[in-house]
Amino acid sequence: EPEVTQTPSHQVTQMGQEVILRCVPISNHLYFYWYRQILGQKVEFLVSFYNNEISEKSEIFDDQFSVERPDGSNFTLKIRSTKLEDSAMYFCASSDGTAAEKLFFGSGTQLSVL
Amino acid sequence: GENVEQHPSTLSVQEGDSAVIKCTYSDSASNYFPWYKQELGKRPQLIIDIRSNVGEKKDQRIAVTLNKTAKHFSLHITETQPEDSAVYFCAASDNKSGTYKYIFGTGTRLKVLA
Repeated sequence: EPEVTQTPSHQVTQMGQEVILRCVPISNHLYFYWYRQILGQKVEFLVSFYNNEISEKSEIFDDQFSVERPDGSNFTLKIRSTKLEDSAMYFCASSDGTAAEKLFFGSGTQLSVL
Repeated sequence: GENVEQHPSTLSVQEGDSAVIKCTYSDSASNYFPWYKQELGKRPQLIIDIRSNVGEKKDQRIAVTLNKTAKHFSLHITETQPEDSAVYFCAASDNKSGTYKYIFGTGTRLKVLA
């Protein structure tokens, strides 16, 4: 069964550094998302992306965050200058055009900002 | 914006008993309600979903009910097994932006005691 893949599985960085989290959505999917989950808390929406542009973003997704689909297969989340409070599990998700409401999640990248 | 409340936060049942998890939502525009199961360290997996034009849906031991008037929906697991032990998240979603933004509940940790 096709899966959303994310790399790396763990990322440790120093406060103020830039990080890029990478995702490969399922190949025929059209809608892409990033969510995050701070330890012990709920999964929170960050951003949705369709047709090469952001469709919607949350208050969390400020100017420090950006997303990109640089080619036909990758979907990236960049955090320009990481803060301690950015430490969380980041999940990528995607859905196809016929059942756009069904999101398939990747296994996540655990980001630790020191 | 949408707010989703989920109860209980933890639930312990004996193997073979039923488990019920309840969620409420606030935005009447929400029209899609998925339930995800998350095992420790793994990705959230969709287990069942329901659209706003349906009152109940069943898939083997799992069922979901939706009361649009009261804005609440529930997950029912019958004949629970130890492998049902996990964290379960409900979510409410709409596609006002053209993509489906999920607002998740805070999760329920289900323990099935053998």
